[in-house]
Amino acid sequence: GENVEQHPSTLSVQEGDSAVIKCTYSDSASNYFPWYKQELGKRPQLIIDIRSNVGEKKDQRIAVTLNKTAKHFSLHITETQPEDSAVYFCAGADDKIIFGKGTRLHILP
Amino acid sequence: DAEITQSPRHKITETGRQVTLACHQTWNHNNMFWYRQDLGHGLRLIHYSYGVQDTNKGEVSDGYSVSRSNTEDLPLTLESAASSQTSVYFCASSDTPNTGELFFGEGSRLTVL
Repeated sequence: GENVEQHPSTLSVQEGDSAVIKCTYSDSASNYFPWYKQELGKRPQLIIDIRSNVGEKKDQRIAVTLNKTAKHFSLHITETQPEDSAVYFCAGADDKIIFGKGTRLHILP
Repeated sequence: DAEITQSPRHKITETGRQVTLACHQTWNHNNMFWYRQDLGHGLRLIHYSYGVQDTNKGEVSDGYSVSRSNTEDLPLTLESAASSQTSVYFCASSDTPNTGELFFGEGSRLTVL
């Protein structure tokens, strides 16, 4: 089955700087890679996803890149703002969606 | 508006008791999932269902069971609660099995004493 590794577990960046979170997956059959954001005390919510036939996808300040050969994908957040502070989860999907352990992102004033 | 609701939101129980967490969705999604969230472990899949009468084991299914008698509900049962099952439990649903957005409930915090 799928196994997703996520790094780092904690990340602190100055407001306005960029943040990058990296994930690797094990199952070459996986073809869908979503990212979820979970604010404190709230439910996880999808922020962006990418499918295996695409190398990069952008949505305003967030972007995701996928390297199928190396089995890794990354989330990039530019011009970080205080409301970006949250826990971010990557996931990979073969026949079910399996999550990484999460990255707690702190945006420093 | 369609939604997914969990109950109870908070529960304290004792070791050895049977506990059932309810999950009800009005999205009319065929696919429903139960995850548990623990510090340092992220979201781990317990059980999932792709339709009525279909249930499947996830990553951490021991000690848990589910049943799917209709489209809207996927109750999660802990047959004999253990302290290791103290966690926050999230139910989710989606319109595709593994390539679509998961809509999560608000979570159920379970404490086993």
